[in-house]
Amino acid sequence: GEEVAQTPKHLVRGEGQKAKLYCAPIKGHSYVFWYQQVLKNEFKFLISFQNENVFDETGMPKERFSAKCLPNSPCSLEIQATKLEDSAVYFCASIPSGTGVQPQHFGDGTRLSIL
Amino acid sequence: SQQGEEDPQALSIQEGENATMNCSYKTSINNLQWYRQNSGRGLVHLILIRSNEREKHSGRLRVTLDTSKKSSSLLITASRAADTASYFCATAGYNDMRFGAGTRLTVKP
Repeated sequence: GEEVAQTPKHLVRGEGQKAKLYCAPIKGHSYVFWYQQVLKNEFKFLISFQNENVFDETGMPKERFSAKCLPNSPCSLEIQATKLEDSAVYFCASIPSGTGVQPQHFGDGTRLSIL
Repeated sequence: SQQGEEDPQALSIQEGENATMNCSYKTSINNLQWYRQNSGRGLVHLILIRSNEREKHSGRLRVTLDTSKKSSSLLITASRAADTASYFCATAGYNDMRFGAGTRLTVKP
């Protein structure tokens, strides 16, 4: 599509449950980025993909967080055993090609609420 | 990793006035970008300035970059109520880009 599509828009989970978020990049874009925004503050970089390969995972928490970008499927970000502190808006962005320094196209995010 | 820090955190002005936001960073960069975020939405790219450029214009936006001071500024001239949003700078290294905490701009009609 012409826009980065993130689903669902809102996701509510009880503490300890699993949460899975999806991102469909713009068609033809080969790089995907995930960010976490807490309380409308800074965008914390989590992980990036070049097609289905992890490009940079320096921001990913070592435990509980995992992500995939498989061919012909939306990318996904999964959080196991969620904690209250995982409550945030998770954004996905994509770029056509090249390095990560081009302007990024963002989706509207998934608001994750952990109760 | 480099990360922009915006200043001020919040800015409130009257419609028609100019708004200036600043961004400082710590390491060398490939380029610096400014984005806008409207409430409940994702970031929208506004303007990119390369490390060898000092000033760039786009409509009512003017961006400056001082690599010796590791700082940038975004000027919005003749502000409108529709400019109310959060503005983020992003510093791009060779292969990555990092965002700051943003400036919340409120333009009163």
